[in-house]
Amino acid sequence: EAGVTQSPTHLIKTRGQQATLRCSPISGHTSVYWYQQALGLGLQFLLWYDEGEERNRGNFPPRFSGRQFPNYSSELNVNALELEDSALYLCASSSRRYQETQYFGPGTRLLVL
Amino acid sequence: KQEVTQIPAALSVPEGENLVLNCSFTDSAIYNLQWFRQDPGKGLTSLLLIQSSQREQTSGRLNASLDKSSGRSTLYIAASQPGDSATYLCAHIGSNYKLTFGKGTLLTVNP
Repeated sequence: EAGVTQSPTHLIKTRGQQATLRCSPISGHTSVYWYQQALGLGLQFLLWYDEGEERNRGNFPPRFSGRQFPNYSSELNVNALELEDSALYLCASSSRRYQETQYFGPGTRLLVL
Repeated sequence: KQEVTQIPAALSVPEGENLVLNCSFTDSAIYNLQWFRQDPGKGLTSLLLIQSSQREQTSGRLNASLDKSSGRSTLYIAASQPGDSATYLCAHIGSNYKLTFGKGTLLTVNP
């Protein structure tokens, strides 16, 4: 069984540009979660999608947005990139809303120059 | 504000030693608590998940306990090996239905 996959593995952008990160959950999982791991800040919750809808959002500005497609894959969009957006972005999926284990992908490392 | 604190921030031990990593949390209404392992620059690997109704979980050389009343969890690693070197993170899903992570303990097991 394939795990959670994320693309691209690395992304380099410049300030002001937009970045799009993609995540495919484990087959059968309907929930997708996005987390940011910036240097020195630890892992912080970004967004949670379930059955195509945004269910919860962390303390991030509106330029962080996303969506979940009918096949449960997800995109994270970051607009107007800032230097401090440089981080490892992790996606996770689960088969139930919150009581099951979240399985994490390998992450996308975003570097903003 | 819900917080998760992990102590120590870093730990270096000789191979073969038994060790304990500590995690404390402020949200008393947690649904479960998870311990993860993260290798440098990599994603997270789930090690153990303890449901709120459980007291502990075991997997191989790993044992995790949960005490909701005191807001504490411990991860016990028996007979540590150099391959155990990684950052260990604890996280809980609480009343806000999202994983809240500690900042981790960086473990180094020296051969």
